[in-house]
Amino acid sequence: NFLLTQPHSVSASPGETVTISCSGSSGSFVSNYVQWYQQRPGSAPTTIIWANNHRPSGVPDRFSGSIDSSSNSASLTISGLRTEDEADYYCQSYDNSDPWVFGGGTKLTVL
Amino acid sequence: EVQLVESGGAVIQPGGSLRLSCAASGFTFRNYMMHWVRQVPGKGLEWVSLITWDGSTTHYADSVRGRFTISRDNNKNSLYLQMNGLRPEDTAFYYCAKDMGNYRGSDYWGQGTLVTVSS
Repeated sequence: NFLLTQPHSVSASPGETVTISCSGSSGSFVSNYVQWYQQRPGSAPTTIIWANNHRPSGVPDRFSGSIDSSSNSASLTISGLRTEDEADYYCQSYDNSDPWVFGGGTKLTVL
Repeated sequence: EVQLVESGGAVIQPGGSLRLSCAASGFTFRNYMMHWVRQVPGKGLEWVSLITWDGSTTHYADSVRGRFTISRDNNKNSLYLQMNGLRPEDTAFYYCAKDMGNYRGSDYWGQGTLVTVSS
């Protein structure tokens, strides 16, 4: 089965920049769109990046998404970290067997 | 304002059945594919099922195929998940999610409803 791999956790201090990676297990998953979802503690997921690098209205431009075809991976970068960015972050893409495949999630701690 | 409101979660014994509902508003429901996604408390997201805009095509995760049935009523702006043969491993929060189309994932999620399968 196709898998998306994310680091289990990352941490940084307020004001710093952090990058969360998402690697595909096979093929060229970055040929499909990658989405990123934020889930704060006790809340439902919300969309912060769609189609690799697009932000829904209301999502600050501190959040950005990118694709690296050479490494078959996607990244979410959050700059100017704030305490309210502390959350779990999930990447999501597509596979022939399961229409939606999620990464295992990355817990971001803002120290 | 787009809203997705799930309901129907409960504590149910193994082998039992449950029907989840998702009431949609704020967008033209009949135009969009819809999904169910679940999350075991403290764990990651797992895609469960999808249904196309007209209900003609459905897909299921291997873990629920043959036990769960997704459906929709476009006249009532509602999405459903009929869950039969429930197992303890089906215990999770269940979210409905609106598809953006063109393989762009979801743009809106409901707040979730908790299903607990336990004797």
